[in-house]
Amino acid sequence: DQQVKQNSPSLSVQEGRISILNCDYTNSMFDYFLWYKKYPAEGPTFLISISSIKDKNEDGRFTVFLNKSAKHLSLHIVPSQPGDSAVYFCAAREDSNYQLIWGAGTKLIIKP
Amino acid sequence: EAGVTQFPSHSVIEKGQTVTLRCDPISGHDNLYWYRRVMGKEIKFLLHFVKESKQDESGMPNNRFLAERTGGTYSTLKVQPAELEDSGVYFCASSHVGATGNTIYFGEGSWLTVV
Repeated sequence: DQQVKQNSPSLSVQEGRISILNCDYTNSMFDYFLWYKKYPAEGPTFLISISSIKDKNEDGRFTVFLNKSAKHLSLHIVPSQPGDSAVYFCAAREDSNYQLIWGAGTKLIIKP
Repeated sequence: EAGVTQFPSHSVIEKGQTVTLRCDPISGHDNLYWYRRVMGKEIKFLLHFVKESKQDESGMPNNRFLAERTGGTYSTLKVQPAELEDSGVYFCASSHVGATGNTIYFGEGSWLTVV
Protein backbone atom coordinates (compact mmCIF):
# COMPACT_ATOMS: atom_id res chain seq x y z
CA ASP A 1 0.00 0.00 0.00
CA GLN A 2 2.67 2.44 -1.11
CA GLN A 3 1.24 5.93 -1.12
CA VAL A 4 4.02 7.35 -3.28
CA LYS A 5 5.20 5.36 -6.26
CA GLN A 6 8.11 5.80 -8.60
CA ASN A 7 7.61 3.07 -11.15
CA SER A 8 10.88 3.47 -12.99
CA PRO A 9 13.82 2.11 -10.98
CA SER A 10 16.25 3.62 -13.45
CA LEU A 11 16.43 6.00 -16.37
CA SER A 12 19.24 6.63 -18.83
CA VAL A 13 19.41 9.94 -20.70
CA GLN A 14 21.90 11.48 -23.09
CA GLU A 15 23.75 14.52 -21.84
CA GLY A 16 22.06 17.71 -23.02
CA ARG A 17 18.65 16.08 -23.42
CA ILE A 18 15.66 16.35 -21.12
CA SER A 19 15.28 13.98 -18.18
CA ILE A 20 11.74 13.32 -17.00
CA LEU A 21 11.21 11.52 -13.72
CA ASN A 22 7.72 10.50 -12.75
CA CYS A 23 5.92 10.01 -9.46
CA ASP A 24 2.38 8.91 -8.65
CA TYR A 25 0.56 9.16 -5.35
CA THR A 26 -2.64 7.81 -3.91
CA ASN A 27 -3.34 9.99 -0.87
CA SER A 28 -5.48 12.99 -1.81
CA MET A 29 -4.59 14.62 1.52
CA PHE A 30 -1.02 15.27 0.42
CA ASP A 31 -0.57 18.98 -0.10
CA TYR A 32 3.17 19.37 -0.44
CA PHE A 33 5.52 17.47 -2.69
CA LEU A 34 9.27 17.37 -2.78
CA TRP A 35 12.08 15.96 -4.87
CA TYR A 36 15.32 14.93 -3.27
CA LYS A 37 18.56 13.95 -4.93
CA LYS A 38 20.90 11.38 -3.46
CA TYR A 39 24.46 10.57 -4.39
CA PRO A 40 26.05 7.29 -3.25
CA ALA A 41 27.15 7.29 0.40
CA GLU A 42 25.41 10.60 1.03
CA GLY A 43 22.09 11.55 2.54
CA PRO A 44 19.23 12.92 0.44
CA THR A 45 19.45 16.61 -0.38
CA PHE A 46 16.49 18.78 -1.19
CA LEU A 47 16.09 19.69 -4.84
CA ILE A 48 12.73 21.32 -5.48
CA SER A 49 9.21 21.30 -4.09
CA ILE A 50 5.68 22.23 -5.05
CA SER A 51 2.59 23.07 -3.08
CA SER A 52 -0.71 21.51 -4.09
CA ILE A 53 -2.11 24.93 -4.95
CA LYS A 54 0.31 25.18 -7.84
CA ASP A 55 0.78 23.11 -10.95
CA LYS A 56 4.32 24.12 -11.80
CA ASN A 57 7.44 25.27 -10.03
CA GLU A 58 10.68 26.09 -11.76
CA ASP A 59 14.20 26.51 -10.43
CA GLY A 60 16.90 26.85 -13.02
CA ARG A 61 17.20 23.61 -14.97
CA PHE A 62 14.67 21.89 -12.73
CA THR A 63 10.90 22.09 -13.13
CA VAL A 64 8.30 20.14 -11.20
CA PHE A 65 4.81 19.67 -12.61
CA LEU A 66 1.84 18.62 -10.53
CA ASN A 67 -1.35 17.13 -11.95
CA LYS A 68 -3.69 16.80 -8.97
CA SER A 69 -6.53 15.20 -10.86
CA ALA A 70 -4.20 12.44 -12.03
CA LYS A 71 -2.32 12.37 -8.72
CA HIS A 72 0.88 12.62 -10.68
CA LEU A 73 3.96 14.75 -10.55
CA SER A 74 7.04 14.87 -12.66
CA LEU A 75 10.49 16.38 -12.45
CA HIS A 76 12.02 17.75 -15.64
CA ILE A 77 15.74 18.41 -15.89
CA VAL A 78 16.88 20.27 -18.95
CA PRO A 79 19.51 20.19 -20.17
CA SER A 80 20.74 17.09 -18.36
CA GLN A 81 24.32 17.15 -17.15
CA PRO A 82 26.66 14.38 -15.98
CA GLY A 83 26.49 15.70 -12.42
CA ASP A 84 22.76 15.02 -12.43
CA SER A 85 23.47 11.29 -12.26
CA ALA A 86 22.02 10.27 -8.90
CA VAL A 87 19.00 8.64 -7.32
CA TYR A 88 15.96 10.92 -7.25
CA PHE A 89 13.30 10.49 -4.61
CA CYS A 90 9.80 11.86 -4.71
CA ALA A 91 8.28 12.60 -1.30
CA ALA A 92 4.98 13.98 -0.06
CA ARG A 93 3.44 15.19 3.14
CA GLU A 94 0.16 16.27 4.61
CA ASP A 95 0.06 19.74 6.08
CA SER A 96 -0.86 18.44 9.49
CA ASN A 97 1.88 15.85 9.63
CA TYR A 98 5.63 16.24 9.63
CA GLN A 99 6.18 12.81 8.15
CA LEU A 100 7.56 12.60 4.66
CA ILE A 101 6.20 9.70 2.63
CA TRP A 102 8.75 8.61 0.08
CA GLY A 103 8.87 6.79 -3.21
CA ALA A 104 11.43 4.07 -3.88
CA GLY A 105 13.62 6.33 -6.00
CA THR A 106 14.68 6.45 -9.63
CA LYS A 107 18.33 6.11 -10.56
CA LEU A 108 19.14 8.64 -13.26
CA ILE A 109 22.16 7.99 -15.43
CA ILE A 110 23.34 10.76 -17.73
CA LYS A 111 25.37 9.41 -20.61
CA PRO A 112 28.11 11.61 -22.09
CA GLU B 1 28.19 25.06 10.40
CA ALA B 2 28.37 21.30 10.92
CA GLY B 3 25.68 19.25 9.23
CA VAL B 4 23.79 16.28 10.58
CA THR B 5 26.31 13.66 11.58
CA GLN B 6 25.68 9.99 12.07
CA PHE B 7 27.76 7.26 13.64
CA PRO B 8 28.73 4.61 12.77
CA SER B 9 28.70 5.01 9.01
CA HIS B 10 28.76 1.22 8.58
CA SER B 11 28.04 -1.61 10.96
CA VAL B 12 27.99 -5.35 10.42
CA ILE B 13 26.53 -7.39 13.27
CA GLU B 14 25.24 -10.89 13.77
CA LYS B 15 21.60 -11.68 14.19
CA GLY B 16 20.66 -11.38 17.83
CA GLN B 17 23.24 -8.76 18.66
CA THR B 18 22.59 -5.17 19.63
CA VAL B 19 23.50 -2.07 17.68
CA THR B 20 23.18 1.56 18.68
CA LEU B 21 23.15 4.26 16.04
CA ARG B 22 23.81 7.85 16.94
CA CYS B 23 22.69 11.07 15.32
CA ASP B 24 23.93 14.56 16.09
CA PRO B 25 21.55 17.09 14.55
CA ILE B 26 22.45 20.55 13.42
CA SER B 27 22.86 22.75 16.47
CA GLY B 28 19.63 24.51 17.39
CA HIS B 29 17.36 22.16 15.46
CA ASP B 30 14.53 20.99 17.66
CA ASN B 31 13.10 18.57 15.11
CA LEU B 32 14.92 15.29 14.69
CA TYR B 33 13.74 12.46 12.46
CA TRP B 34 14.80 8.91 11.88
CA TYR B 35 14.15 7.23 8.54
CA ARG B 36 15.17 3.86 7.14
CA ARG B 37 15.71 2.57 3.62
CA VAL B 38 15.82 -1.12 3.00
CA MET B 39 17.82 -1.98 -0.11
CA GLY B 40 16.17 -0.63 -3.25
CA LYS B 41 12.95 0.30 -1.54
CA GLU B 42 11.39 3.52 -0.39
CA ILE B 43 12.68 5.54 2.52
CA LYS B 44 10.34 4.98 5.44
CA PHE B 45 9.65 7.23 8.38
CA LEU B 46 10.48 5.78 11.78
CA LEU B 47 9.93 8.56 14.27
CA HIS B 48 10.06 12.25 15.01
CA PHE B 49 11.37 14.07 18.07
CA VAL B 50 10.67 17.62 19.03
CA LYS B 51 13.42 18.40 21.47
CA GLU B 52 13.46 15.40 23.82
CA SER B 53 9.82 14.42 23.26
CA LYS B 54 8.65 11.78 20.83
CA GLN B 55 6.17 13.60 18.63
CA ASP B 56 5.37 10.67 16.38
CA GLU B 57 6.75 7.15 16.58
CA SER B 58 4.17 5.53 14.34
CA GLY B 59 6.83 4.26 11.96
CA MET B 60 8.79 2.24 14.49
CA PRO B 61 8.54 -1.35 13.24
CA ASN B 62 8.39 -3.15 16.60
CA ASN B 63 9.58 -3.07 20.16
CA ARG B 64 13.08 -4.19 19.21
CA PHE B 65 13.68 -0.58 18.23
CA LEU B 66 14.23 2.06 20.89
CA ALA B 67 14.96 5.70 20.18
CA GLU B 68 16.01 8.28 22.70
CA ARG B 69 16.93 11.92 22.68
CA THR B 70 17.93 12.77 26.19
CA GLY B 71 18.37 16.49 26.73
CA GLY B 72 17.02 17.27 23.31
CA THR B 73 20.40 17.17 21.62
CA TYR B 74 21.76 14.01 20.02
CA SER B 75 19.62 10.95 19.50
CA THR B 76 20.29 7.23 19.61
CA LEU B 77 18.46 4.42 17.89
CA LYS B 78 19.02 1.01 19.42
CA VAL B 79 18.09 -2.24 17.77
CA GLN B 80 17.98 -5.17 20.19
CA PRO B 81 18.05 -7.97 19.22
CA ALA B 82 18.82 -7.31 15.57
CA GLU B 83 17.15 -9.41 12.88
CA LEU B 84 18.14 -9.94 9.25
CA GLU B 85 15.30 -7.73 7.99
CA ASP B 86 16.70 -4.79 9.97
CA SER B 87 19.48 -4.42 7.41
CA GLY B 88 19.36 -1.14 5.56
CA VAL B 89 20.41 2.48 5.72
CA TYR B 90 19.21 4.50 8.66
CA PHE B 91 18.98 8.21 7.96
CA CYS B 92 18.69 10.93 10.52
CA ALA B 93 17.40 14.39 9.62
CA SER B 94 16.92 17.61 11.54
CA SER B 95 15.21 20.94 11.12
CA HIS B 96 13.84 23.93 12.96
CA VAL B 97 10.23 23.61 14.07
CA GLY B 98 7.92 24.62 11.23
CA ALA B 99 10.48 23.93 8.53
CA THR B 100 9.35 22.80 5.14
CA GLY B 101 11.15 20.25 3.01
CA ASN B 102 13.89 22.50 1.74
CA THR B 103 15.20 23.10 5.25
CA ILE B 104 15.20 19.54 6.49
CA TYR B 105 18.77 18.32 6.45
CA PHE B 106 19.78 14.69 6.23
CA GLY B 107 22.83 12.94 7.49
CA GLU B 108 24.83 10.56 5.35
CA GLY B 109 23.16 7.55 6.90
CA SER B 110 24.28 4.58 8.95
CA TRP B 111 24.51 1.39 6.93
CA LEU B 112 23.49 -1.61 8.99
CA THR B 113 24.06 -5.15 7.83
CA VAL B 114 22.74 -7.98 9.96
CA VAL B 115 24.20 -11.37 9.07
